Amino acid sequence: SQQGEEDPQALSIQEGENATMNCSYKTSINNLQWYRQNSGRGLVHLILIRSNEREKHSGRLRVTLDTSKKSSSLLITASRAADTASYFCATDLRSGNTPLVFGKGTRLSVIA
Amino acid sequence: KAGVTQTPRYLIKTRGQQVTLSCSPISGHRSVSWYQQTPGQGLQFLFEYFSETQRNKGNFPGRFSGRQFSNSRSEMNVSTLELGDSALYLCASLPGSTRNTEAFFGQGTRLTVV
Repeated sequence: SQQGEEDPQALSIQEGENATMNCSYKTSINNLQWYRQNSGRGLVHLILIRSNEREKHSGRLRVTLDTSKKSSSLLITASRAADTASYFCATDLRSGNTPLVFGKGTRLSVIA
Repeated sequence: KAGVTQTPRYLIKTRGQQVTLSCSPISGHRSVSWYQQTPGQGLQFLFEYFSETQRNKGNFPGRFSGRQFSNSRSEMNVSTLELGDSALYLCASLPGSTRNTEAFFGQGTRLTVV
């Protein structure tokens, strides 16, 4: 079963608006990562937030992590048409050398 | 630094056939993970290889297998293909441990089983 679950499954916004995607997970993590995938291509790493961090910024991206609620959010500010893609959260579990576990993703459409 | 290379990019196979996919990780990276991506299930973990040894395995049938060579290149094999094996197969390259490091993905191999 999926460790992470993104919400919403799909999101459609106008260019210039902000987009917020959420991720919930089930077990203790070492870190949580967000990736982006353009249609039918490989995933590109966006940002990594460690379990002892609460917020992280990278350009127009802002990620928050609430380990007590086992949830994270990704905010993209001032969205552009080029931000249209699927966004996935991935959890690096605390136990051993386990692989990254991905959610099913949020499909973001930014309309120009 | 060259990225992760997956070959071939596209494949069409018939049910019952077998297929081999290849992944060359970033130079110096010793860990290769394979994922299957389908529209309904998202990314499902297949297996991970580290230093030529399978380190982790997902919940896939024995028809799915893999290996890693001394140069860290990895192959995965699917035997007796089924229609449900149609998917985008992605490989991810990491330096070694997953601890606080990002994964670098290839462009994937799109497999269609007819």
